[in-house]
Amino acid sequence: KAGVTQTPRYLIKTRGQQVTLSCSPISGHRSVSWYQQTPGQGLQFLFEYFSETQRNKGNFPGRFSGRQFSNSRSEMNVSTLELGDSALYLCASSSSGTNYNEQFFGPGTRLTVL
Amino acid sequence: AQSVTQLGSHVSVSEGALVLLRCNYSSSVPPYLFWYVQYPNQGLQLLLKYTSAATLVKGINGFEAEFKKSETSFHLTKPSAHMSDAAEYFCAVGLDSDRGKLIFGQGTELSVKP
Repeated sequence: KAGVTQTPRYLIKTRGQQVTLSCSPISGHRSVSWYQQTPGQGLQFLFEYFSETQRNKGNFPGRFSGRQFSNSRSEMNVSTLELGDSALYLCASSSSGTNYNEQFFGPGTRLTVL
Repeated sequence: AQSVTQLGSHVSVSEGALVLLRCNYSSSVPPYLFWYVQYPNQGLQLLLKYTSAATLVKGINGFEAEFKKSETSFHLTKPSAHMSDAAEYFCAVGLDSDRGKLIFGQGTELSVKP
């Protein structure tokens, strides 16, 4: 089976712009979770989608949003970018979203905000 | 609220020596516990997981971890370090009630000296 894929791998934006990141889960997985990884804050949970519904949400401002499509692919959007949004954004998929089943991570999208 | 503490942001061992990476968790209910490894410019790869079966868990690449409820610990060990083990290691906790969300420790960077 193909693993989790994320596009693009690298992105450079300027402050105030918006950005959309894409994640394709492992075939058959219905849950997609998103994380932000920075040197200062480490790995932080953004949100989780299952069957096109957001089931769980972390502690991020409303500028961070997401959605999931009927084929389980997910997108994450960040509006009005700030310098502090520079990070590696990781998505992970699992079969059910329950934490009994492990999450499989993609390679990430490295976002740089200038 | 659950949390994860990894003792030591950097650990250095000689090739062939024992690897011990420490993880303590805080949770009011029995958690699921995971160890992930991250190589430079890559996503996270699952090493092993504890899901309330055997307390001694064996993972990939010769790693294992022991769940000790009395000490709220889930330390990662490997009897003999290899140069290819140099990477960053993350301990994570998940709960049944918090779907799709993992709480990660700050990570431990492992260096292996020849």
